[in-house]
Amino acid sequence: QKEVEQNSGPLSVPEGAIASLNCTYSDRGSQSFFWYRQYSGKSPELIMSIYSNGDKEDGRFTAQLNKASQYVSLLIRDSQPSDSATYLCAVMRSNYQLIWGAGTKLIIKP
Amino acid sequence: DTGVSQNPRHKITKRGQNVTFRCDPISEHNRLYWYRQTLGQGPEFLTYFQNEAQLEKSRLLSDRFSAERPKGSFSTLEIQRTEQGDSAMYLCASSRPRGQGWNEQYFGPGTRLTVT
Repeated sequence: QKEVEQNSGPLSVPEGAIASLNCTYSDRGSQSFFWYRQYSGKSPELIMSIYSNGDKEDGRFTAQLNKASQYVSLLIRDSQPSDSATYLCAVMRSNYQLIWGAGTKLIIKP
Repeated sequence: DTGVSQNPRHKITKRGQNVTFRCDPISEHNRLYWYRQTLGQGPEFLTYFQNEAQLEKSRLLSDRFSAERPKGSFSTLEIQRTEQGDSAMYLCASSRPRGQGWNEQYFGPGTRLTVT
């Protein structure tokens, strides 16, 4: 079992709809969780960080964390074609090392 | 803030040659990380510095890889006797020492290495 798991996709969502991306992790001691967006050929770009159970909203993005279920999700509202990218979930170990999922490819269809 | 910068952006080398990459972190960031990413995978941790001290090094990092951060500012990653399996994107990230978002890592544009 991988430490951080994501559905590889592709996930296809119509423009204007809500895109829902999911991630599970295995280390119960993890305290910091991150979502990055990566366009093809580019480096990861930080979108959201979340540390406490519940929801955290930033513009069109909402991160959700459930430590009991070891589950992190990212919701993108009013999806735009420019949101088409690979979304990477990262979980921080106690030594500040990020452990990454393989990413979910998101396609927003106009 | 100027972002994290990396040089060169692309490097093509022949198998067996040595290569060196440079990373300049965001100026007030004291932590610096190196990752490697291959197609279709998430980044893979290589090593981590806090100021000039190298605090963590992945077991996956062979003796052919070495990293330095001599004055706690920029860092270099050297790969000796390159192999075709070293072909990847090499990513550098940095994070601030304290305050809001203190452990958020910000990435540079990466150095794409191709070993022929």
